[in-house]
Amino acid sequence: EPEVTQTPSHQVTQMGQEVILRCVPISNHLYFYWYRQILGQKVEFLVSFYNNEISEKSEIFDDQFSVERPDGSNFTLKIRSTKLEDSAMYFCASKGLAETQYFGPGTRLLVL
Amino acid sequence: DQQVKQNSPSLSVQEGRISILNCDYTNSMFDYFLWYKKYPAEGPTFLISISSIKDKNEDGRFTVFLNKSAKHLSLHIVPSQPGDSAVYFCAANTYSGAGSYQLTFGKGTKLSVIP
Repeated sequence: EPEVTQTPSHQVTQMGQEVILRCVPISNHLYFYWYRQILGQKVEFLVSFYNNEISEKSEIFDDQFSVERPDGSNFTLKIRSTKLEDSAMYFCASKGLAETQYFGPGTRLLVL
Repeated sequence: DQQVKQNSPSLSVQEGRISILNCDYTNSMFDYFLWYKKYPAEGPTFLISISSIKDKNEDGRFTVFLNKSAKHLSLHIVPSQPGDSAVYFCAANTYSGAGSYQLTFGKGTKLSVIP
């Protein structure tokens, strides 16, 4: 069964460093998403991406964040200058023509 | 602003009995509802969904009920099994335009099925 994959599974970084989180969505999907879950809190929407551009972003998704689909398979989230409060699980999701979004296993980001 | 609320942080049920997980929402623009199951250190796994034009959807041991007038949905698991022990998230979907279908999640309910 096709699934969303994410790398790395864990990332530890120093405050102020740049990180890139990678995702491979399900191959025939058209809509791509990033969500995050801070420990003990709910899963929060960050950004949606469709037709090679951002379709919507939340207040969390400020200028430090960017997304890219550099080729036909990868979907990346870049945080330019990480802050302590960026520590969270980051989930990639993808969706085809049906309503359901399918999630990857997540990347646990720890900013020290 | 909690648009999707799961008021029970945890629920314990005996194996073989029914588990009922509840979810309330406030945004009448939500048009599709989903339940996800999540194990620690894993991503949310899709379980079952329901469109706002329906009031019930069933898939094996899992049934989701939607009461639009009350803005309430529930997930029934019958019979409950120890492997069902996980955190269950209610999520609601709305089309925000320009190809965006963002999900709004509740805080989750941790289900423990006791053998």
